[in-house]
Amino acid sequence: GQNIDQPTEMTATEGAIVQINCTYQTSGFNGLFWYQQHAGEAPTFLSYNVLDGLEEKGRFSSFLSRSKGYSYLLLKELQMKDSASYLCAVRDKGGAGSYQLTFGKGTKLSVIP
Amino acid sequence: KAGVTQTPRYLIKTRGQQVTLSCSPISGHRSVSWYQQTPGQGLQFLFEYFSETQRNKGNFPGRFSGRQFSNSRSEMNVSTLELGDSALYLCASSQEETQYFGPGTRLLVL
Repeated sequence: GQNIDQPTEMTATEGAIVQINCTYQTSGFNGLFWYQQHAGEAPTFLSYNVLDGLEEKGRFSSFLSRSKGYSYLLLKELQMKDSASYLCAVRDKGGAGSYQLTFGKGTKLSVIP
Repeated sequence: KAGVTQTPRYLIKTRGQQVTLSCSPISGHRSVSWYQQTPGQGLQFLFEYFSETQRNKGNFPGRFSGRQFSNSRSEMNVSTLELGDSALYLCASSQEETQYFGPGTRLLVL
C-alpha cells in the first residue's frame, strides 16, 4: 500500500513564496505529480517529477528526493487566484504492467491580501 | 484537442437505485481511470481501463463496476446506491504518464 502525507491547510500572503511538502511511502515508485484543484472544479496538472531534483515551470517549481520519499511544490509571487487545493500524487506499479496513481488528501492553500 | 468530458454533470438518486456515469477521453488517449472524491477521504482510485480491459482496481465493493468501449469511451456503474456514495466522480484519461481530468459528475444520494 501507499501512505502520502501533506499538510491539510496553509495560509500565505499575496506576493510571497509558499512551499507545500509531501512525504510518501511506496514500494514501486514511478513518479510524483502535483495537481491544483479549485473549489468545485476538476484537478489540473501542474508538474511531474520522476528523477531527483528541481523542475521549474514559471512561478511553480517542484522538487523530488526519492531516497527521502519527499517532494515539495514551491509557489512564487503568490496571486489570489492561487487559492486552491494542491494534491500530491504518487505513481507506482499496479496490475497487468500498468501504473496506478494514489493521491494525498490535498493541501488547501489560502492566499490573503 | 477537446478535453475530457463527463456526463451527466449532476445527478440526484435515492438509496437502492443504480446509476451509470459516462466519460469521453481526450482523442488518442486509450487509458481511462475513475476516482471518487469526498471531503473526508480525498481522491480515491476506483479502476483503470485500457483497450477495453480493466487493468487496475481500487478497494471498492463490487457494486462499483465499469467498462470501456472500442472508441475508448468509458462508463462506470454503481448499483444499490448508499448514502455514502454521494461524491464527485472524476474520470481521467492519459496517453503516457500524465492523467488529465474531466469536470466530474456530482452524485447526491438521498
